[in-house]
Amino acid sequence: QVQLVQSGAEMMKPGASMKVSCTASGYTFTNHYIHWVRQAPGQGLEWMGMIDPGGDDTSYAQKFQGRVTMTRDTSTNTVYMAMSSLTSDDTAVFYCAKDQAVRAARGIIDLGYDSWGQGTLVTVSS
Amino acid sequence: DVQMTQSPSSLSASIGDRVTITCRASQSISTYVNWYQQKPGKAPNLLIYAASPLQSGVPSRFSGNGSGTDFTLTISSLQPEDFATYYCQQSYSTPITFGQGTRLEIK
Repeated sequence: QVQLVQSGAEMMKPGASMKVSCTASGYTFTNHYIHWVRQAPGQGLEWMGMIDPGGDDTSYAQKFQGRVTMTRDTSTNTVYMAMSSLTSDDTAVFYCAKDQAVRAARGIIDLGYDSWGQGTLVTVSS
Repeated sequence: DVQMTQSPSSLSASIGDRVTITCRASQSISTYVNWYQQKPGKAPNLLIYAASPLQSGVPSRFSGNGSGTDFTLTISSLQPEDFATYYCQQSYSTPITFGQGTRLEIK
């Protein structure tokens, strides 16, 4: 079955950088975009950006441009999301999510995100 | 950016009730709307994609409707496991945006 497994919780200092991993299994990794979604404590869902594991194309929300980098390793079916210059406002659960549409159809049809990682809690505190 | 205004922000209802959650987009987005359910401490779960098709495995009491700017998620007969927070999402253009969420509570 499709599974996305994320790396464990992290405690970070303000100003530090962090990197969260998301390892996929149960489907063809290069066929589906992966999105990253942030959720601050008690708050709603915020889209951060997406990566095409089949072509390494990325798109980031303007809010995160220059501070977030998404990469992929096709040898391990893993996507990474790195964020720099952390502040306490970045304390949140970070989710990776698989786009249900195959990459060739993305933007033409909308099938939502059909599988999510378990979430990674990142706490930024001095 | 496309803003998604979701209402109500919270809702109290009883088992067996029919409830409707609304999402309004700041511009026309065809049917590029998805609906998710999230329970505390868990990742969101896809219920409806492209405004109306039901995701595989989701009970038929859930339904979605709408196109253009106005969208609805309806639960025809609330079950105990439906008490959760619901989010709409637009994928018409980036940045992809979510509604603020609707917390559905037991009356």
